Amino acid sequence: SQQGEEDPQALSIQEGENATMNCSYKTSINNLQWYRQNSGRGLVHLILIRSNEREKHSGRLRVTLDTSKKSSSLLITASRAADTASYFCATDDGNKLVFGAGTILRVKS
Amino acid sequence: GAGVSQSPSNKVTEKGKDVELRCDPISGHTALYWYRQSLGQGLEFLIYFQGNSAPDKSGLPSDRFSAERTGGSVSTLTIQRTQQEDSAVYLCASSVGTGNQPQHFGDGTRLSIL
Repeated sequence: SQQGEEDPQALSIQEGENATMNCSYKTSINNLQWYRQNSGRGLVHLILIRSNEREKHSGRLRVTLDTSKKSSSLLITASRAADTASYFCATDDGNKLVFGAGTILRVKS
Repeated sequence: GAGVSQSPSNKVTEKGKDVELRCDPISGHTALYWYRQSLGQGLEFLIYFQGNSAPDKSGLPSDRFSAERTGGSVSTLTIQRTQQEDSAVYLCASSVGTGNQPQHFGDGTRLSIL
C-alpha cells in the first residue's frame, strides 16, 4: 500500500510563480525524499530530508518536514517551464522506498 | 559517468508470451530495485536486491514474475505468460545502500501486451 500521498494531484502555474506540493504519510519514517519525473523518463532524486530535520534547501527547492503531522511540502520558487514534470515523495519502509501517486506540475511560459 | 541503463526501451508482445527486461545498474551500487508504473500512477515496488543477500520479493504480483541479479550487477526481470494487465512501464533503480539512500533510476521499459 502507498504510504505517501501527494496533494494536489495536478497544478498549473505561470512561469515565475512559486509551486507548492504537499505529501502526507502514515507511519514513522527515517527520512523522506522527493523525486521529479519528466515525461517518458525515469525518476530523478531532488532532495532527502531526515526525520530530525525540519527544513532543507537546494537551489530553488525548499522542503519542510513536520513529523508530528506526518507531512512534508516541496516549494519550487521562481518556476520555469523546464520544471514541468511529475513530482513524487517517497518514504522509507525497511530497505525500500514507498512512493506516492505524484503531483503533475505544469509551468506555462 | 554512466547511469542506470535499461533495455529494451519499448517492448510490444502478444498475450501469453514471455518477456525479459534488463537492467544495468551504476557500477558499485550494491542495491537494485524493480518498480512498475502504470499510466499516470505512482511506483509499485516489485523486488529488491542487496549484495549477496536473498532478494526481497514481497512486491511481485504473481508467480509469473521473477527476477535475478547475476554477479551482483546486471539484473533481469522475467514475466511469463504475459497478460494485458502487465502492460506498464518497468523501472529499475540502484543505490549505494539501502532504503535511506537516494535511488538512481533508468528510463524504464515500456511494455505493451496486445
